[in-house]
Amino acid sequence: NAGVTQTPKFQVLKTGQSMTLQCAQDMNHNSMYWYRQDPGMGLRLIYYSASEGTTDKGEVPNGYNVSRLNKREFSLRLESAAPSQTSVYFCASSTGGSEAVFGQGTRLTVV
Amino acid sequence: TQLLEQSPQFLSIQEGENLTVYCNSSSVFSSLQWYRQEPGEGPVLLVTVVTGGEVKKLKRLTFQFGDARKDSSLHITAAQPGDTGLYLCADRKGGSNYQLIWGAGTKLIIKP
Repeated sequence: NAGVTQTPKFQVLKTGQSMTLQCAQDMNHNSMYWYRQDPGMGLRLIYYSASEGTTDKGEVPNGYNVSRLNKREFSLRLESAAPSQTSVYFCASSTGGSEAVFGQGTRLTVV
Repeated sequence: TQLLEQSPQFLSIQEGENLTVYCNSSSVFSSLQWYRQEPGEGPVLLVTVVTGGEVKKLKRLTFQFGDARKDSSLHITAAQPGDTGLYLCADRKGGSNYQLIWGAGTKLIIKP
């Protein structure tokens, strides 16, 4: 029972580099989310996709783009990484208002 | 803008002790959720509370929702090392099905 799978688990980038974080869920959930978690600040929503074919900005979307590739997959792209984007990134999925299931996270360091 | 404040920020106690952690909101909750996050993992939902005064139990964990729906507490009886983790509360932003507002969490360490 995989649930939500994120890749990679760890990544170090240089300032200005780009990368895509991948997320896939196998629970047939309609909605998917990308969060970042920073010490002392809780989780903050970057983008979400309520259903396949739609994406919406969350609380902190600047510097990020997303793609809902299909019902299973939701990717997050950093076009030009900055040190302020050093964080732990979590993907989650849910069926509308039901509980969200989270992946294990991607620990990203931008130097 | 709704803010969720959790206290204490950090708690370290011995195995077998009881503890309570709190989540207070600047405005009325719509649907408060409690999560536990273990090191290196994502948050896992423990319980959802909706009704003022509601009490829910999950083994040794007791969750209480204030009558005015602006505060909630989590009480752990006879804490065990397996209870160690970051306890987070979250509420649906404006009742949204998709957006949650999160507290910063209480980091709990239970020493054997």
